[in-house]
Amino acid sequence: QKEVEQNSGPLSVPEGAIASLNCTYSDRVSQSFFWYRQYSGKSPELIMSIYSNGDKEDGRFTAQLNKASQYVSLLIRDSQPSDSATYLCAVNMGYSTLTFGKGTMLLVSP
Amino acid sequence: NAGVMQNPRHLVRRRGQEARLRCSPMKGHSHVYWYRQLPEEGLKFMVYLQKENIIDESGMPKERFSAEFPKEGPSILRIQQVVRGDSAAYFCASSPSGGSGANVLTFGAGSRLTVL
Repeated sequence: QKEVEQNSGPLSVPEGAIASLNCTYSDRVSQSFFWYRQYSGKSPELIMSIYSNGDKEDGRFTAQLNKASQYVSLLIRDSQPSDSATYLCAVNMGYSTLTFGKGTMLLVSP
Repeated sequence: NAGVMQNPRHLVRRRGQEARLRCSPMKGHSHVYWYRQLPEEGLKFMVYLQKENIIDESGMPKERFSAEFPKEGPSILRIQQVVRGDSAAYFCASSPSGGSGANVLTFGAGSRLTVL
């Protein structure tokens, strides 16, 4: 069974801190990796995509990919209360579709 | 520039009734995906369709569930003889055809099914 694993949390950080969200996946042939944010009762929205080993930065967000370790992470700098949400890691594991982790709940306290 | 449109947003059915959920992809997108999200669980893939074709239905329950994406009109996810365990949020997503964007899914607002 090909899987995407995330710590369910909640991960609690104070406002202004760095939040670090982690994800591991089981299939070595995976090529595409995504982070989605989902507010309670809402639909997932794409934050970042990453396809190559290393870091990719977009504003306060940095995605990190290590294919050898089958590990992808999302760093959120200067965390804001509005960042409080569930963050879903998604991986294309050789299929035509994305496999999602169960998500990590992030709570940013003022 | 409408996004992925789903309706109804909320649907209440009694056990044994049928539920029909509709999804219109974003303009320019020809790939449609249905996912189900149960409370406190992640998104589970159900089916992937292109116009008039089911590409991957490996996540669909074998009975009572069906999906279509006709040449004209929205994609439809149909659940026959609903049971309480079918209560969930059903999300539709779409993506462009081919290329690096093929796996970038844009989600609709979801249809929340409640079975009484």
